[in-house]
Amino acid sequence: GNSVTQMEGPVTLSEEAFLTINCTYTATGYPSLFWYVQYPGEGLQLLLKATKADDKGSNKGFEATYRKETTSFHLEKGSVQVSDSAVYFCALSDLRRDDKIIFGKGTRLHILP
Amino acid sequence: EAGVAQSPRYKIIEKRQSVAFWCNPISGHATLYWYQQILGQGPKLLIQFQNNGVVDDSQLPKDRFSAERLKGVDSTLKIQPAKLEDSAVYLCASSLGYRGREETQYFGPGTRLLVL
Repeated sequence: GNSVTQMEGPVTLSEEAFLTINCTYTATGYPSLFWYVQYPGEGLQLLLKATKADDKGSNKGFEATYRKETTSFHLEKGSVQVSDSAVYFCALSDLRRDDKIIFGKGTRLHILP
Repeated sequence: EAGVAQSPRYKIIEKRQSVAFWCNPISGHATLYWYQQILGQGPKLLIQFQNNGVVDDSQLPKDRFSAERLKGVDSTLKIQPAKLEDSAVYLCASSLGYRGREETQYFGPGTRLLVL
């Protein structure tokens, strides 16, 4: 079945550092890929998505590229801020088969001032 | 545009008691989802409704969990009786619900349940 594996946290960085959170997936069909973010005390929010191979999703300075050859969707940001501290979830959904989203376990990110 | 509303935000009960959660999706969204998020895990889908019909409840522990969406708008999720391992955040999400198209799910703030 479909699954998502993302790097374990917590990840602790200093402000303005470069961020990479790795995510790889296993899927039998043609999934769409997502990154969700959960800020402290808030619900999940969609951060970005990509629906086909080589698509790049971007939002709020974050980017992720759908790599079919490596089955990866790594999240990157060039210069993180304290306000980026949150839990980040990689997820996939094969929208042509069903709408079910499969989430990774989440990666907690701490940004130090 | 109002987001997905959930209540209560927090609930503490003793094991074997019953509890119910309420969700009001974004207006016009046909699809509604209930997820369980155990601490340190990603959300797991419990049940998906399309209007007032169940699309997927394969991961719902039906001996103790039930959910309904009678009028195709708001929904309730019930646990009866609760067990210690039900302690989690219960998330509700909604989406427009056109199958085969790109869908974005919008999540509510969640209900944090603690079973003692």
